[in-house]
Parts: sequence; structure tokens; C-alpha cells
Amino acid sequence: GQQLNQSPQSMFIQEGEDVSMNCTSSSIFNTWLWYKQDPGEGPVLLIALYKAGELTSNGRLTAQFGITRKDSFLNISASIPSDVGIYFCATAAGEKLTFGTGTRLTIIP
Amino acid sequence: DAGVTQSPTHLIKTRGQQVTLRCSPKSGHDTVSWYQQALGQGPQFIFQYYEEEERQRGNFPDRFSGHQFPNYSSELNVNALLLGDSALYLCASSFLASGSQETQYFGPGTRLLVL
Repeated sequence: GQQLNQSPQSMFIQEGEDVSMNCTSSSIFNTWLWYKQDPGEGPVLLIALYKAGELTSNGRLTAQFGITRKDSFLNISASIPSDVGIYFCATAAGEKLTFGTGTRLTIIP
Repeated sequence: DAGVTQSPTHLIKTRGQQVTLRCSPKSGHDTVSWYQQALGQGPQFIFQYYEEEERQRGNFPDRFSGHQFPNYSSELNVNALLLGDSALYLCASSFLASGSQETQYFGPGTRLLVL
């Protein structure tokens, strides 16, 4: 089946730093989604992208739908402690979501 | 307005046993999807229920079955449990007619441990 590869697998940053992560696939998609999962919680939708080249922001978060439609990028500016968690990219086929492998973000004090 | 709720929060079973997990969707939602999330992995789609019927199914064996009730709540049943069934089971709800396939609200999950 389709596979979404996320990198990096984990990140250790200091508060205030900017963060970049990406998601790639060998398949073309019409929708790219970014979720965040906190410990003990289910994933929460951060940003949804619907068009190749689209750039969408949600506060300090900005995501882009790759031109090839095979990748997507998520940037977080000026990280704060509550940004800690696991970030997942996902695609949608009908109402079935396929998730990536996740990027774990840790903020070093 | 209550979000998606799941019960129980944690469960321990032994191999070969059967388990039933429960989900109540967000108010106003009519569609329930179930996902399995193994440790360190992203959620994997099991199946989706709408109008009390299984609408879509992922790559899971028949040991995994479900049900949706007239009040839109849902159950996930797993028979003949294997050690590999240990995971966080997530329920997500949505409103089918919204046309926003990505707008699924997830519950906190049920963590199942099979010994």
C-alpha cells in the first residue's frame, strides 16, 4: 500500500528555534494534511492542503503542498514548549486517512 | 459540546480472548472510523461505519469487526487476540455530508495490552 515517509524521525531543539519537517511519497495525492498528537490524546488536525503549490498558515505553523503532489512540508516558527509532540502528515482517499511515520519534536530547556 | 469519547481508556487481555471497544461520536456527526496505532507508528485505518453499515475497510483481518448503532455510536470487536494487537485504538468521527473528508475528530483512544 501507499507509504508516507516523514523526516526527520525526531528533533531536539531549543525554545525559540524554527522547525522544518517534510513528508514524501512515491504516489500523487490531491490532499495533504498535517496533524499533531500529544501524549494520551488522539491526533488533532493542524492544516489541510488541497492544491499543488498551496501555502497555508495557521498561526506560527506554515505548510506547503509540493508542486509534484508527492510531498509536503511543515514549518513551525519560534517554537514554544506546547509545540512538543508528534507531528504526522496524512493523505485522504475518500474518508480513509493514511498517516505518515511521524516526527517527534522535543524542546530542550 | 462533548467531543469524541472512547471507553475504556486502558485494557489488558490475554492471547485468544475477545475485546470490545466503544466510541461515541462528536455531537452532530454520523460517521465513525476506527484506527490502530502501534507504538511509534502512525494510525492505520481499520474501517468506517455510516448508517450502521461498514463503508470502507483497511487491510485488517476478519478478526476485526464493528458495529454502529442508531445513535451513531460504534463498537470495535477483536476476536482471538494476538500479542501484535497491542496498540492504541483510535476512534474518529465526521459528518459525511460536509464533504470535508479530512475533518475527522479523534478521541483519546483506548490502549489495549495483550499478554
